[in-house]
Order: sequence, then C-alpha cells, then structure tokens
Amino acid sequence: DAGVIQSPRHEVTEMGQEVTLRCKPISGHNSLFWYRQTMMRGLELLIYFNNNVPIDDSGMPEDRFSAKMPNASFSTLKIQPSEPRDSAVYFCASSLGSGTETQYFGPGTRLLVL
Amino acid sequence: AQSVTQLDSHVSVSEGTPVLLRCNYSSSYSPSLFWYVQHPNKGLQLLLKYTSAATLVKGINGFEAEFKKSETSFHLTKPSAHMSDAAEYFCVVSERGAGSYQLTFGKGTKLSVIP
Repeated sequence: DAGVIQSPRHEVTEMGQEVTLRCKPISGHNSLFWYRQTMMRGLELLIYFNNNVPIDDSGMPEDRFSAKMPNASFSTLKIQPSEPRDSAVYFCASSLGSGTETQYFGPGTRLLVL
Repeated sequence: AQSVTQLDSHVSVSEGTPVLLRCNYSSSYSPSLFWYVQHPNKGLQLLLKYTSAATLVKGINGFEAEFKKSETSFHLTKPSAHMSDAAEYFCVVSERGAGSYQLTFGKGTKLSVIP
C-alpha cells in the first residue's frame, strides 16, 4: 500500500490567496483526520471524518478554514483567505476506525504564507 | 474533559542507557492511550497502544509502556537507547464522548541521544 498521500508537499503563497491541501487516505480506511503542527501550539486536531461525514470540526480555527470529503478516497482542506499565522505543517491521517484504531499519517504539507 | 500532560519537553540520554518518557492523563471514562513517534520532517508513526487489554504494552523498536490507572500514567520506556531513537514522542488519549471519539495529543517530548 502507498500509505496516506498528501499534496503538495510544500506550498508557498502570499497572504490573501486561497490554499487547497489534498489528501488520499489508505484504501479501506473509513476515518480521516486533518492536523496542524506549529512550534508554538504543537499538534492540533482540526477535523475528522467518519465514512465521509464530518464528525468533529471543533478544532477548525475559524471560518477561513473548510474541509470536505466528497468520497472515501479524497479529502481537501481549504484556507481562504490565507494569513501568515496559518503557516504550519498540515498532516492528514487515516484509520480503520476513529477511537481505538491506529492512525496512519501522511508526510505532511509544509505551508508558508508570506 | 480529558487531558494529556507530557512532563518533559526535552529528554537527553546517552546511547545504551535507559529511556523514560513520562505521560499523565485525565479521563472521565476508560480511555485508549497511544504513543506516537515523529522523526524530523516525517509524519507520526504508532509506537504502541493500550485499549483495555494487558496493562503492559509492547511496541516497536523495543519500546514498552505500562498503563497505571491508580497513577493515571502511561510512561514510555526502553532499556537501551539507540541513536535512531532520537525523535519527538507524543502521548495521545482517546475517549468516547457523545457520539464521537475525542482525541487529545500531548505537547510532545523531544528525545536526544548522545553518542
């Protein structure tokens, strides 16, 4: 299996631009998670989906952030408009379940907003 | 509400000596507990997990952790550190809430291994 695939791996953009991060979970996994990691705040869970349905989005910072999962093999995290404080590494993870199952992490997208 | 406290932000050990990374948690119910490792510029990888079976859990690369309910602890240990163990380690608690699971990550402990 290819594991969790994220694209792009690196993104540099200017403040105010729209940013779209993409994730392909492991085939057969029914839960998908988006995380953000910064030096200041550590690792934060933004949102997770179960069977393509958003279950908990309480970690999404504000309305500028949105996430979708149109099918079992694809999810996006969009930031519009982006701000410098959104600079971070964004991880996607998938699992067979949501609570007690192992999460498999992608390599992350390193976002820099200038 | 649940929480996770990793008591040390940075631990430094000599190669070949024991490793102890401390984690305390609070949880209203019976939690599941995990340790993940993150090597530089990589995603997180599961080391081990506790899900209400045996309290002593063995993981990959010689790591193990013991769930101690009375102490609300889940410390990670390894008898002999290797240079490749240098990484950041995260303790995670998962608890079922109203209709969904709530996952809480600790702040992480950075392990340095001195040759």
